[in-house]
Amino acid sequence: EVQLVESGGGLVQPGRSLRLSCAASGFNVDDYAMHWVRQPPGKGLEWVSGINWNSGRMGYAESAKGRFTISRDTAKNSLYLQMNSLRAEDTALYYCAKGSGRYFDSCDFWGQGTLVTVSS
Amino acid sequence: SYDLTQPLSMSVALGQTARIPCGADNIGSKNVHWYQQKPGQAPVLVIYRDYNRPSGIPERFSGSNSGNTATLTISRAQAGDEADYFCQVCDSTTAWVFGGGTKLTVL
Repeated sequence: EVQLVESGGGLVQPGRSLRLSCAASGFNVDDYAMHWVRQPPGKGLEWVSGINWNSGRMGYAESAKGRFTISRDTAKNSLYLQMNSLRAEDTALYYCAKGSGRYFDSCDFWGQGTLVTVSS
Repeated sequence: SYDLTQPLSMSVALGQTARIPCGADNIGSKNVHWYQQKPGQAPVLVIYRDYNRPSGIPERFSGSNSGNTATLTISRAQAGDEADYFCQVCDSTTAWVFGGGTKLTVL
């Protein structure tokens, strides 16, 4: 059974850093594209970052470029999102999502999300 | 950037057909995917690559894509279909875009 469990969210002050983790089971994260998608309270979905199956290519939303870094650990079967220089507008529920295949396409499974609140 | 336009809200009578549009310049040349999100839950993929249904998704859900509009069609709408629906495309080989989402109400 495919499972994705996000962790690492919390309350953080503007300008600080946070690292989100996504522990996967039921499949190998190295065999699929993986993504982070966020949803501000009461708003729509916003793609944040993605990485294809062999980590050969990564992509970032304009809002994340230069501040966020996506990575994965095959040994731990996990996906990560390092978030630096956090801003109030980064406040959102962050979802980890499994790609349907090796490259950027659709996502066929989502975790339940971890909440990030950026506030002083 | 590539912008996907969806109506903020739509309503459909119980048992009738809902057609949710997703508009963008020449969207017919891209693969469009649709997600359903119910309150307090994670999104669920309901249509991928324009018209394909993942296993477990009822046949009442279908999709089409041509020209400047992709459409998610929900036939014989049920109360359980009330949700937010988001369209999504790949803007490039390493970037995704979501539509703003449509809140569907079943009357």
